[in-house]
Amino acid sequence: GNSVTQMEGPVTLSEEAFLTINCTYTATGYPSLFWYVQYPGEGLQLLLKATKADDKGSNKGFEATYRKETTSFHLEKGSVQVSDSAVYFCALSGKDTGRRALTFGSGTRLQVQP
Amino acid sequence: EADIYQTPRYLVIGTGKKITLECSQTMGHDKMYWYQQDPGMELHLIHYSYGVNSTEKGDLSSESTVSRIRTEHFPLTLESARPSHTSQYLCASSANPNEQFFGPGTRLTVL
Repeated sequence: GNSVTQMEGPVTLSEEAFLTINCTYTATGYPSLFWYVQYPGEGLQLLLKATKADDKGSNKGFEATYRKETTSFHLEKGSVQVSDSAVYFCALSGKDTGRRALTFGSGTRLQVQP
Repeated sequence: EADIYQTPRYLVIGTGKKITLECSQTMGHDKMYWYQQDPGMELHLIHYSYGVNSTEKGDLSSESTVSRIRTEHFPLTLESARPSHTSQYLCASSANPNEQFFGPGTRLTVL
C-alpha cells in the first residue's frame, strides 16, 4: 500500500537559513505529491504540489521536485522567516489511495528563531 | 480561498455528554473527510463521504458517527464523550483526488 515517510522534527533554524525537509514515499504507479502546511491553531493548507515525475512545485519561496528515481519529494526554501514556523506534511494521492484520496506523512515541525 | 467551516473551534465538555461537531463547505464538493489529529501531529482518517447518503469508516477506528444528508454539511457525533476522545478534529472536502481543502479544526477536551 501507499506510505509517506518524513524526517522527524522539530527542525530549528535561524532566520534566513536554508531549509530542507525530507520526504520519501512508497506507492504503486505514479502518484501525485503534495506539501501541506499547518500554522498554529489552524487547519492544513496546500502549499505546493507536483503531479508527474520531474515536476517542480513552488509557492511562497518553497520548492519541491518530484524525483521518481529516488521516490522523494523534499521541501526546500532558500531563506526561512519566523512566519514560516509551522508543521509541514508531505502527502500523496495514488492508485492505492483510492477513495481516501490522500496518504499523509507524520508531519515535521519547523521552528524559526529571529 | 477555501470556504470550509467548523464549529465550535474549541469545546470543553464533561464525560458522558453527547456532542456534535459541525462541518460545512460552500464549494459544492462531493467528497468530505474527518481526520483526528493527535498531539504528535499525525493525521488519522476516521470518516469519509463521496456524496449525499454515502459514508464510510476511515483507517482509524472511531466511536464517532457521521451523516451526509446535504452536500454541504458533514457533522460528526459522539453519543457519549470520554477523555480518550480528547483531540483535534479536522474536516476537509475535495472535488478531485488531487487536493483537499481543510477547515480550521475543532479542539475537543473531555474532562
